[in-house]
Amino acid sequence: GQQLNQSPQSMFIQEGEDVSMNCTSSSIFNTWLWYKQEPGEGPVLLIALYKAGELTSNGRLTAQFGITRKDSFLNISASIPSDVGIYFCAGKKETSGSRLTFGEGTQLTVNP
Amino acid sequence: GAVVSQHPSRVICKSGTSVKIECRSLDFQATTMFWYRQFPKQSLMLMATSNEGSKATYEQGVEKDKFLINHASLTLSTLTVTSAHPEDSSFYICSATPQGAGYGYTFGSGTRLTVV
Repeated sequence: GQQLNQSPQSMFIQEGEDVSMNCTSSSIFNTWLWYKQEPGEGPVLLIALYKAGELTSNGRLTAQFGITRKDSFLNISASIPSDVGIYFCAGKKETSGSRLTFGEGTQLTVNP
Repeated sequence: GAVVSQHPSRVICKSGTSVKIECRSLDFQATTMFWYRQFPKQSLMLMATSNEGSKATYEQGVEKDKFLINHASLTLSTLTVTSAHPEDSSFYICSATPQGAGYGYTFGSGTRLTVV
């Protein structure tokens, strides 16, 4: 199905650095979800956002639901090696029932 | 809470045979489950929505007769890849969510299918 525009596609950073990634769309979403996927595993939910403008934290992770409802970002502060993985955004539209649309993913590499 | 179990985690089968993948919600009931396919270094692509007690809804381009979905109970959905071919080799992942707001979608750990 249709995918969200997620950027950047990949990031190579040093341990301790902050990370920011985002997803945009031309469509309006009523739910934004951020997942992390490690090799050979299913995605694990990091943060769920349900209201425009909502800012939610989960430890060193912070995500926001854009005020226009067409975008969302995820920030990771003070990165550590175990943050390595692929991060996906996913959105749910009002018109698509329970179906999710996924971004292309951001591959994060953290150098110790 | 909200644990989804998927089995098997890996399967190798011969061309022409069928393979069944199970997806179970362990601590909640799920009237709807979702089946995704993921190729290496790509995102998840929704294949079908599995509805308990009724027919599955397939995404455009997904062959219904190829990928049979059965959702016979509120905690179990199965995906059967029929007459598998090497091009069906992929990572298949299911997801489900409990009813009501305040929950994201929980994913199973995925099944790596290799058709030889």
